[in-house]
Amino acid sequence: QVQLVESGGGVVQRGTSLRLSCAASGFTLSPYGMLWVRQAPGKGLEWVAVIWYDGSDEYYADSVKGRFTISRDNSKNTLYLQMNSLRAEDTAVYYCARGVYNNGWYPEHWGQGTLVTVSS
Amino acid sequence: SYVLTQSPSVSVAPGQTATISCGGNNIGSKSVHWSQQKPGQAPVLVVYDDSDRPSGIPERFSGSNSGNTATLTISRVEAGDEADYYCHVWDSRSNHVVFGGGTKLTVL
Repeated sequence: QVQLVESGGGVVQRGTSLRLSCAASGFTLSPYGMLWVRQAPGKGLEWVAVIWYDGSDEYYADSVKGRFTISRDNSKNTLYLQMNSLRAEDTAVYYCARGVYNNGWYPEHWGQGTLVTVSS
Repeated sequence: SYVLTQSPSVSVAPGQTATISCGGNNIGSKSVHWSQQKPGQAPVLVVYDDSDRPSGIPERFSGSNSGNTATLTISRVEAGDEADYYCHVWDSRSNHVVFGGGTKLTVL
């Protein structure tokens, strides 16, 4: 069955970097756009980034633009999120999600998430 | 940037109908999607493209979208429906996914 497993979360200091991975199984990543969505403790969902199925295009939330980079390796069936210059407000559970495009992207199937804690 | 507005909470008795609204400027011109998130769990898509249901989602879940309001309706509410519900759209002006603030459904 479709499964998305995030990894790479942890406790890091402010200003440092972290790379999250999202391993897909039960389907082939290459035909799908992929998204990252995060959720700060006790808060709602916040979209982070989206990448086209072939990596040809990507967009970011204003809050992370210039600091985060979404990428993918279709040969490894894996999605990534490189996070630089981390801030306390980046503390959240980060979910990867398989995307569907119909006049715009939406997350169709979600992973279980990985927690990133940025300490000051 | 585009903003989606949801009421923070809705309460309903078991067996009754829950209506969860999502407001946005001319939201009727966009495709609206709804995700359910139970405590401690990842979100699950329950309605896409205004009113379609993914496989495995009960027919009790339905959606509509017109004017400045999209609505998620849950008929014959069960205790297991207690969750946070988020509406979301694609804003083509900014090329961003936009989420509403979420509505907590409490089953009395």
